[in-house]
Amino acid sequence: NAGVTQTPKFRILKIGQSMTLQCTQDMNHNYMYWYRQDPGMGLKLIYYSVGAGITDKGEVPNGYNVSRSTTEDFPLRLELAAPSQTSVYFCASSLAAGGLNTQYFGPGTRLTVL
Amino acid sequence: GQNIDQPTEMTATEGAIVQINCTYQTSGFNGLFWYQQHAGEAPTFLSYNVLDGLEEKGRFSSFLSRSKGYSYLLLKELQMKDSASYLCAVNSGGYQKVTFGTGTKLQVIP
Repeated sequence: NAGVTQTPKFRILKIGQSMTLQCTQDMNHNYMYWYRQDPGMGLKLIYYSVGAGITDKGEVPNGYNVSRSTTEDFPLRLELAAPSQTSVYFCASSLAAGGLNTQYFGPGTRLTVL
Repeated sequence: GQNIDQPTEMTATEGAIVQINCTYQTSGFNGLFWYQQHAGEAPTFLSYNVLDGLEEKGRFSSFLSRSKGYSYLLLKELQMKDSASYLCAVNSGGYQKVTFGTGTKLQVIP
């Protein structure tokens, strides 16, 4: 099992550009999440999904969009990149809720917007 | 809303014991996670507490008091590789929402 994979690992964007951060998991997990982590800070939830076709906003959704067409994939879209979106982005997945809600994280995407 | 508090930084000596505290205020509490995150890496799962009391797992133990909104992570026989950030995360609500604290950066010194 590869677990949770993310691409790219690093990216530099110019203000106003758009991009998609890819996330794939091969553990057949229902739940998937996108977090951002600013330097020295905790994880802030951007969007999450409880299954294919179902997504919902987290704590900081503005400036981002997601889709979940399959169980495996949960891409995060930035439409008009802004310097405030410079951060490390982590994708995570979990089997279900409660005690099965242990989240497994991908290696992260380090994004810089200049 | 939710509020999760952890100390920002701690320093401890190799071979010693360190306790990292986490206090929280939330409605619909389901359980509390501890994750370890080395610099530049993704968080990895350490423990999940649902009931009051201490759960031991090797050198790491986690304690929960639901009535006090309090948890701690206890690390024994500290090793240099334990230098990392330790994230407390609360699972709450009917939709099992998980909210992370800002983390405690632990530095282990010789």
